[in-house]
Amino acid sequence: SQELEQSPQSLIVQEGKNLTINCTSSKTLYGLYWYKQKYGEGLIFLMMLQKGGEEKSHEKITAKLDEKKQQSSLHITASQPSHAGIYLCGADRTGANNLFFGTGTRLTVIP
Amino acid sequence: SQTIHQWPATLVQPVGSPLSLECTVEGTSNPNLYWYRQAAGRGLQLLFYSVGIGQISSEVPQNLSASRPQDRQFILSSKKLLLSDSGFYLCAWHQGAGQPQHFGDGTRLSIL
Repeated sequence: SQELEQSPQSLIVQEGKNLTINCTSSKTLYGLYWYKQKYGEGLIFLMMLQKGGEEKSHEKITAKLDEKKQQSSLHITASQPSHAGIYLCGADRTGANNLFFGTGTRLTVIP
Repeated sequence: SQTIHQWPATLVQPVGSPLSLECTVEGTSNPNLYWYRQAAGRGLQLLFYSVGIGQISSEVPQNLSASRPQDRQFILSSKKLLLSDSGFYLCAWHQGAGQPQHFGDGTRLSIL
């Protein structure tokens, strides 16, 4: 959808490299949620960001939300094959937590 | 702890046949429930959500319907399936605003 853009659409990196995935909204958000999906499986919740300028980390994954609450980035440090999958950002546009998702970024990590 | 179950995992149905996909949540009460569809090459599309028994909101007009006969049960149905109904259907729940949604394992529906 034009309202929530994810980039890049796909990404191939060598194991050990860092990478960043971006999620941009045309409107200010109440919250931004990051999920990971392996092909044919459900979504696994990674992190949620609700405050402008917020940053959260879990293991080697860091997510940030800009001050305007319209753009988020997901950064993976020293990528591993276990990081491979589809990363999706979900936007809460109304405060009711009915999420609108981007089209996802397919990440491949080459050993 | 809370768990969410979806079944069946895969389903192959002929065009024009009915559909019933079921989702149940355990370990919580009065969750918000959601049905999404993920078509090939496209993102997740929200189909229906429910904030309580018998309360269903539809996000997009389509050939599908949803029902919530019990607090932790959410059913996706169709009277007559179309080819365009093929896709990966996901159920999700969350416990109020500001809480993340948690997803089931999905049902892959193929229409022949």
